Amino acid sequence: SQTIHQWPATLVQPVGSPLSLECTVEGTSNPNLYWYRQAAGRGLQLLFYSIGIDQISSEVPQNLSASRPQDRQFILSSKKLLLSDSGFYLCAWMGTTATGELFFGEGSRLTVL
Amino acid sequence: AQSVTQPDIHITVSEGASLELRCNYSYGATPYLFWYVQSPGQGLQLLLKYFSGDTLVQGIKGFEAEFKRSQSSFNLRKPSVHWSDAAEYFCAVGAISWGKLQFGAGTQVVVTP
Repeated sequence: SQTIHQWPATLVQPVGSPLSLECTVEGTSNPNLYWYRQAAGRGLQLLFYSIGIDQISSEVPQNLSASRPQDRQFILSSKKLLLSDSGFYLCAWMGTTATGELFFGEGSRLTVL
Repeated sequence: AQSVTQPDIHITVSEGASLELRCNYSYGATPYLFWYVQSPGQGLQLLLKYFSGDTLVQGIKGFEAEFKRSQSSFNLRKPSVHWSDAAEYFCAVGAISWGKLQFGAGTQVVVTP
């Protein structure tokens, strides 16, 4: 069966520090991968999506970047965090069968101080 | 542009009572519609989805939703709520080919004894 893992689960970082959130999917190949950010009262905002290695699209201009070094690994990064980067980050995947369902990881809570 | 509105930020319901969560969407083509549920500090889980066909769709955990094109709505219902239904619920619309879902801001459901 397919599983998705995110880490770290919780992160507290000072303003100006770098960030790396990792997401790995197991049990499937060539999945579409997504990074969403959830802010209180604002639902989920799509940040990046990837349909393959080195194929990453950014949805919102911001202080973050994404990379996909392997087929089933998706990384969210920042060189210098801002206070506004605080939030709950969710990684998700959709299989190649395109059922329309996104499978979400457990999320990473980032607090920037 | 696509958008999703969940008019109710917060709903309190007694255990055993019925529940209805509202969702209105704006989408330029035939919409693909979803309802997800999120327990505190967790990722999202798909409750149900609508692509085409019967406008009343059944989902997991006893939930159902009805698609009404004339009203641009996709309301979620459950006849009798359980304490375990306390969570945040998100409506989403999008094109499944890319998984680029537009989420509503969510409705927090509190279940009282």
